[in-house]
Amino acid sequence: EAQVTQNPRYLITVTGKKLTVTCSQNMNHEYMSWYRQDPGLGLRQIYYSMNVEVTDKGDVPEGYKVSRKEKRNFPLILESPSPNQTSLYFCASFGGDEKLFFGSGTQLSVL
Amino acid sequence: EDKVVQSPLSLVVHEGDTVTLNCSYEVTNFRSLLWYKQEKKAPTFLFMLTSSGIEKKSGRLSSILDKKELSSILNITATQTGDSAIYLCAVEVPYSGGGADGLTFGKGTHLIIQP
Repeated sequence: EAQVTQNPRYLITVTGKKLTVTCSQNMNHEYMSWYRQDPGLGLRQIYYSMNVEVTDKGDVPEGYKVSRKEKRNFPLILESPSPNQTSLYFCASFGGDEKLFFGSGTQLSVL
Repeated sequence: EDKVVQSPLSLVVHEGDTVTLNCSYEVTNFRSLLWYKQEKKAPTFLFMLTSSGIEKKSGRLSSILDKKELSSILNITATQTGDSAIYLCAVEVPYSGGGADGLTFGKGTHLIIQP
């Protein structure tokens, strides 16, 4: 089954404690992307990757890092999380007529 | 700057009503417009529209694109409580650096169907 697997689903952490949200897709898509979703602001792109070792900033990249060492994985790294990064995060991969396949989301709370 | 605007932001109707959700866009290089439905989880795909005036239909949902007006509508007839969700509109545009296209999302319309 084609899917984007994102973990964890829920994460509560404290300010400054490094964390990683994992994302993996099994569709051999070249393009992957991270979004955050906040009330009243919709989905905003954080980073995207057009292929292995190729990443670029989206609309709101500050405070985030990504890596794309393999085609299937695209982790999102918060080196020093802050409360304003409390949000719902979605990983997505891009391909076919459905365009974006979304992961199930990660609800992050930074205290 | 590419922009996608959805209206209304929020809508409450009674079961059985018909609703129309709007999406307008200002983008430099339009490729397609997509509609997604988001319940308490990840968005799921509804429609992709590329040609003006051609209605896409799936059950009680339908959508049409008007490239002259730079807009699209999503219609839901005979609404049910299960239609309660956030409906997202996104426009596909090429990235300025070439390569894969990107999606610019609207903020969504929060639809609530009351029994």
